[in-house]
Amino acid sequence: QSALTQPASVSGSPGQSITISCTGTSSDVGTYNLVSWYQQHPGKAPKLMIYEGSQRPSGVSNRFSGSKSGNTASLTISGLQADDEADYYCCSYTSSSTFHYVFGTGTKVTVL
Amino acid sequence: EVQLVQSGAEVKKPGESLKISCKGSGYRFTSYWIGWVRQMPGKGLEWMGIIYPGDPDTRYSPSFQGQVTISADNSISTAYLQWSSLKASDTAMYYCARLQGNYMDVWGKGTTVTVSS
Repeated sequence: QSALTQPASVSGSPGQSITISCTGTSSDVGTYNLVSWYQQHPGKAPKLMIYEGSQRPSGVSNRFSGSKSGNTASLTISGLQADDEADYYCCSYTSSSTFHYVFGTGTKVTVL
Repeated sequence: EVQLVQSGAEVKKPGESLKISCKGSGYRFTSYWIGWVRQMPGKGLEWMGIIYPGDPDTRYSPSFQGQVTISADNSISTAYLQWSSLKASDTAMYYCARLQGNYMDVWGKGTTVTVSS
Protein backbone atom coordinates (compact mmCIF):
# COMPACT_ATOMS: atom_id res chain seq x y z
CA GLN A 1 0.00 0.00 0.00
CA SER A 2 1.92 3.04 -1.25
CA ALA A 3 1.67 6.43 0.38
CA LEU A 4 0.06 9.27 -1.54
CA THR A 5 2.66 11.60 -3.06
CA GLN A 6 3.11 15.12 -1.73
CA PRO A 7 5.88 17.64 -2.38
CA ALA A 8 8.42 17.60 0.42
CA SER A 9 8.26 21.35 0.87
CA VAL A 10 6.34 24.42 -0.24
CA SER A 11 7.09 27.99 0.74
CA GLY A 12 5.49 31.39 0.37
CA SER A 13 5.59 34.92 1.72
CA PRO A 14 3.01 36.29 4.13
CA GLY A 15 -0.20 37.17 2.31
CA GLN A 16 0.51 34.92 -0.65
CA SER A 17 -1.36 31.78 -1.63
CA ILE A 18 0.21 28.35 -1.82
CA THR A 19 -1.10 24.98 -2.99
CA ILE A 20 -0.06 21.55 -1.76
CA SER A 21 -0.74 18.60 -4.05
CA CYS A 22 -1.58 15.04 -3.06
CA THR A 23 -1.32 12.55 -5.90
CA GLY A 24 -2.83 9.11 -5.70
CA THR A 25 -4.42 6.66 -8.11
CA SER A 26 -7.79 5.64 -9.45
CA SER A 27 -8.07 3.33 -6.42
CA ASP A 28 -8.11 6.23 -3.98
CA VAL A 29 -8.07 9.96 -4.75
CA GLY A 30 -9.33 9.53 -8.31
CA THR A 31 -12.46 7.62 -7.39
CA TYR A 32 -13.42 8.69 -3.90
CA ASN A 33 -14.10 12.22 -2.69
CA LEU A 34 -12.78 11.17 0.72
CA VAL A 35 -9.55 13.10 1.03
CA SER A 36 -8.84 14.80 4.33
CA TRP A 37 -6.03 17.19 5.24
CA TYR A 38 -4.21 17.58 8.56
CA GLN A 39 -1.97 20.31 9.89
CA GLN A 40 0.76 19.39 12.36
CA HIS A 41 2.85 21.94 14.21
CA PRO A 42 6.15 20.72 15.72
CA GLY A 43 5.59 18.63 18.83
CA LYS A 44 1.83 18.73 18.44
CA ALA A 45 -0.87 16.31 17.38
CA PRO A 46 -2.31 16.60 13.87
CA LYS A 47 -5.39 18.80 13.40
CA LEU A 48 -8.15 18.25 10.85
CA MET A 49 -8.28 21.10 8.31
CA ILE A 50 -10.35 19.71 5.42
CA TYR A 51 -12.52 16.61 5.08
CA GLU A 52 -14.37 14.94 2.20
CA GLY A 53 -12.26 16.81 -0.28
CA SER A 54 -13.43 20.36 0.34
CA GLN A 55 -15.36 20.57 3.60
CA ARG A 56 -14.03 22.76 6.40
CA PRO A 57 -14.67 21.81 10.03
CA SER A 58 -16.11 24.42 12.30
CA GLY A 59 -13.38 26.71 13.56
CA VAL A 60 -10.99 26.24 10.65
CA SER A 61 -10.20 29.45 8.79
CA ASN A 62 -11.77 29.92 5.36
CA ARG A 63 -8.26 30.65 4.13
CA PHE A 64 -7.94 26.87 3.82
CA SER A 65 -9.67 25.19 0.90
CA GLY A 66 -9.58 21.78 -0.76
CA SER A 67 -10.17 20.60 -4.31
CA LYS A 68 -9.54 17.67 -6.63
CA SER A 69 -8.70 17.07 -10.26
CA GLY A 70 -8.31 13.53 -11.52
CA ASN A 71 -6.02 11.57 -9.23
CA THR A 72 -4.69 14.69 -7.49
CA ALA A 73 -6.19 16.46 -4.50
CA SER A 74 -5.00 19.90 -3.46
CA LEU A 75 -4.97 22.05 -0.35
CA THR A 76 -4.76 25.79 -0.92
CA ILE A 77 -3.82 28.23 1.82
CA SER A 78 -4.61 31.82 0.92
CA GLY A 79 -3.41 34.91 2.78
CA LEU A 80 -0.47 32.95 4.20
CA GLN A 81 0.28 33.68 7.85
CA ALA A 82 3.24 32.87 10.07
CA ASP A 83 1.17 30.34 12.05
CA ASP A 84 0.50 28.37 8.87
CA GLU A 85 4.10 27.17 9.00
CA ALA A 86 3.69 23.48 9.77
CA ASP A 87 3.63 20.02 8.22
CA TYR A 88 0.56 19.06 6.21
CA TYR A 89 -0.64 15.54 5.44
CA CYS A 90 -3.37 14.32 3.14
CA CYS A 91 -5.23 11.08 3.74
CA SER A 92 -7.57 9.17 1.47
CA TYR A 93 -9.89 6.21 1.49
CA THR A 94 -8.51 3.48 -0.78
CA SER A 95 -9.95 0.33 -2.27
CA SER A 96 -6.57 -1.06 -3.23
CA SER A 97 -5.81 -2.83 0.03
CA THR A 98 -7.43 -4.77 2.83
CA PHE A 99 -6.82 -1.66 4.94
CA HIS A 100 -8.76 1.21 3.50
CA TYR A 101 -6.84 4.34 4.47
CA VAL A 102 -3.55 5.80 3.30
CA PHE A 103 -1.64 8.94 4.28
CA GLY A 104 0.37 11.22 2.06
CA THR A 105 4.11 11.63 2.45
CA GLY A 106 3.72 15.03 4.09
CA THR A 107 4.65 18.58 3.09
CA LYS A 108 6.60 21.13 5.11
CA VAL A 109 5.17 24.60 4.59
CA THR A 110 7.58 27.45 5.25
CA VAL A 111 6.47 31.07 5.56
CA LEU A 112 9.33 33.21 4.30
CA GLU B 1 -16.21 18.35 24.97
CA VAL B 2 -15.07 15.37 22.92
CA GLN B 3 -11.62 14.27 24.06
CA LEU B 4 -9.15 11.44 23.65
CA VAL B 5 -6.69 11.23 26.53
CA GLN B 6 -3.63 9.09 25.97
CA SER B 7 -1.40 7.47 28.55
CA GLY B 8 1.99 8.89 29.43
CA ALA B 9 5.42 8.47 27.91
CA GLU B 10 7.06 5.07 28.15
CA VAL B 11 10.72 4.01 28.21
CA LYS B 12 11.25 0.29 27.67
CA LYS B 13 13.99 -2.19 26.82
CA PRO B 14 14.01 -4.37 23.70
CA GLY B 15 12.00 -7.52 24.22
CA GLU B 16 9.70 -6.01 26.84
CA SER B 17 5.93 -5.84 26.45
CA LEU B 18 3.86 -2.67 26.48
CA LYS B 19 0.24 -1.57 26.39
CA ILE B 20 -0.67 2.09 25.87
CA SER B 21 -4.14 3.53 26.19
CA CYS B 22 -6.52 6.09 24.73
CA LYS B 23 -9.57 7.07 26.80
CA GLY B 24 -12.53 8.67 25.07
CA SER B 25 -14.93 11.09 26.73
CA GLY B 26 -17.74 13.43 25.73
CA TYR B 27 -19.27 11.03 23.18
CA ARG B 28 -20.63 7.50 22.81
CA PHE B 29 -17.39 5.50 22.70
CA THR B 30 -18.93 2.42 21.09
CA SER B 31 -20.32 4.33 18.09
CA TYR B 32 -17.07 5.52 16.48
CA TRP B 33 -14.00 3.82 15.06
CA ILE B 34 -10.73 4.63 16.82
CA GLY B 35 -7.51 4.63 14.81
CA TRP B 36 -3.87 4.33 15.82
CA VAL B 37 -1.19 6.25 13.93
CA ARG B 38 2.59 5.98 14.25
CA GLN B 39 5.04 8.80 13.71
CA MET B 40 8.69 7.84 13.90
CA PRO B 41 11.17 10.60 14.80
CA GLY B 42 11.32 13.16 12.02
CA LYS B 43 9.02 11.12 9.78
CA GLY B 44 5.46 11.17 8.49
CA LEU B 45 2.19 9.69 9.70
CA GLU B 46 1.53 5.98 9.23
CA TRP B 47 -1.73 4.12 9.73
CA MET B 48 -1.42 1.17 12.10
CA GLY B 49 -5.01 0.02 12.43
CA ILE B 50 -8.52 0.79 13.55
CA ILE B 51 -11.05 -0.67 15.96
CA TYR B 52 -14.81 -0.31 16.27
CA PRO B 53 -15.41 -0.75 19.99
CA GLY B 54 -19.08 -1.57 19.45
CA ASP B 55 -18.36 -4.94 17.73
CA PRO B 56 -15.36 -5.00 18.24
CA ASP B 57 -14.18 -5.12 14.65
CA THR B 58 -10.43 -4.61 14.27
CA ARG B 59 -8.46 -3.99 11.05
CA TYR B 60 -4.72 -3.67 10.65
CA SER B 61 -2.57 -1.98 8.07
CA PRO B 62 -0.52 -4.70 6.31
CA SER B 63 2.72 -3.21 7.69
CA PHE B 64 1.54 -3.71 11.27
CA GLN B 65 -0.48 -6.93 11.02
CA GLY B 66 1.00 -9.39 13.51
CA GLN B 67 3.28 -6.73 15.00
CA VAL B 68 0.80 -5.09 17.39
CA THR B 69 -2.61 -5.79 18.92
CA ILE B 70 -5.42 -3.25 19.08
CA SER B 71 -8.19 -3.78 21.61
CA ALA B 72 -10.82 -1.87 23.57
CA ASP B 73 -12.58 -1.97 26.95
CA ASN B 74 -15.99 -0.41 26.49
CA SER B 75 -16.68 -0.38 30.23
CA ILE B 76 -14.06 2.34 30.63
CA SER B 77 -14.26 3.84 27.09
CA THR B 78 -10.62 3.01 26.41
CA ALA B 79 -8.77 1.71 23.39
CA TYR B 80 -5.37 0.04 23.62
CA LEU B 81 -2.31 -0.57 21.49
CA GLN B 82 0.03 -3.29 22.66
CA TRP B 83 3.29 -4.98 21.81
CA SER B 84 4.43 -8.37 23.08
CA SER B 85 8.12 -7.84 22.34
CA LEU B 86 9.34 -4.33 21.62
CA LYS B 87 12.15 -3.50 19.20
CA ALA B 88 14.28 -0.39 18.99
CA SER B 89 12.49 0.40 15.73
CA ASP B 90 9.22 0.79 17.70
CA THR B 91 10.57 4.06 19.09
CA ALA B 92 8.03 6.62 17.95
CA MET B 93 5.11 8.83 18.86
CA TYR B 94 1.77 7.03 18.77
CA TYR B 95 -1.49 8.89 18.26
CA CYS B 96 -5.04 7.70 18.63
CA ALA B 97 -7.81 9.47 16.73
CA ARG B 98 -11.57 9.21 16.40
CA LEU B 99 -12.90 8.45 12.94
CA GLN B 100 -15.90 10.50 11.91
CA GLY B 101 -16.85 8.65 8.74
CA ASN B 102 -13.62 8.49 6.78
CA TYR B 103 -11.65 11.23 8.48
CA MET B 104 -10.12 11.82 11.93
CA ASP B 105 -11.88 14.65 13.69
CA VAL B 106 -10.45 14.32 17.20
CA TRP B 107 -6.87 13.36 18.08
CA GLY B 108 -5.15 12.45 21.30
CA LYS B 109 -1.99 14.34 22.23
CA GLY B 110 0.14 11.29 21.58
CA THR B 111 2.21 8.81 23.60
CA THR B 112 5.98 8.74 23.17
CA VAL B 113 7.47 5.26 23.27
CA THR B 114 11.24 4.94 23.57
CA VAL B 115 12.83 1.51 23.26
CA SER B 116 16.49 1.41 24.19
CA SER B 117 18.87 -0.97 25.89
